[in-house]
Amino acid sequence: AQSVTQLGSHVSVSEGALVLLRCNYSSSVPPYLFWYVQYPNQGLQLLLKYTTGATLVKGINGFEAEFKKSETSFHLTKPSAHMSDAAEYFCAVRGGRHTGNQFYFGTGTSLTVIP
Amino acid sequence: DTAVSQTPKYLVTQMGNDKSIKCEQNLGHDTMYWYKQDSKKFLKIMFSYNNKELIINETVPNRFSPKSPDKAHLNLHINSLELGDSAVYFCASSPTGGGEKLFFGSGTQLSVL
Repeated sequence: AQSVTQLGSHVSVSEGALVLLRCNYSSSVPPYLFWYVQYPNQGLQLLLKYTTGATLVKGINGFEAEFKKSETSFHLTKPSAHMSDAAEYFCAVRGGRHTGNQFYFGTGTSLTVIP
Repeated sequence: DTAVSQTPKYLVTQMGNDKSIKCEQNLGHDTMYWYKQDSKKFLKIMFSYNNKELIINETVPNRFSPKSPDKAHLNLHINSLELGDSAVYFCASSPTGGGEKLFFGSGTQLSVL
């Protein structure tokens, strides 16, 4: 079965500080992992994804995530937070054909950036 | 051109009414979805269609009925609206491949009074 756990429903960082949003997954098949961002009153946009290959994945807006199979984690980081990063972030895993290729989302982490 | 478009953006209605939300994608994707996002931002899959056929139907009341006239459209009809139906509803689409991402519409905020 596939599932995603995001630790911390709310994270606050100072502008310029490191952003770390945690995601752990469980999957019975090699996972496809995604991070999405949702700005207020908007739909979700893809930040980055891991399918195969290099375990450090770079995305848009300076974000990156590292797939660690041994830890079943896919944490999202950004070296220096910007005010415009304030948003809701969702980690997701995509299941295989037996699940209809369904996406399983975490409960989200709300990021606040303090000036 | 908007890739996944849904209408209306806002929907305010009374309890007991019937309403529909329309969704269209111009990306040529095989699979379309409806998600419900509650006030705590939790995203719950409701339905998934692949080439006009229902492949996922999560536990939702049968007052919710999806209809897919062709693979570019997936509409959501809701009968006898209840207060608890108030939420943001997102349409999404994706290619069938496992590593492919979801493309989301901008959402329909439904308020049932």
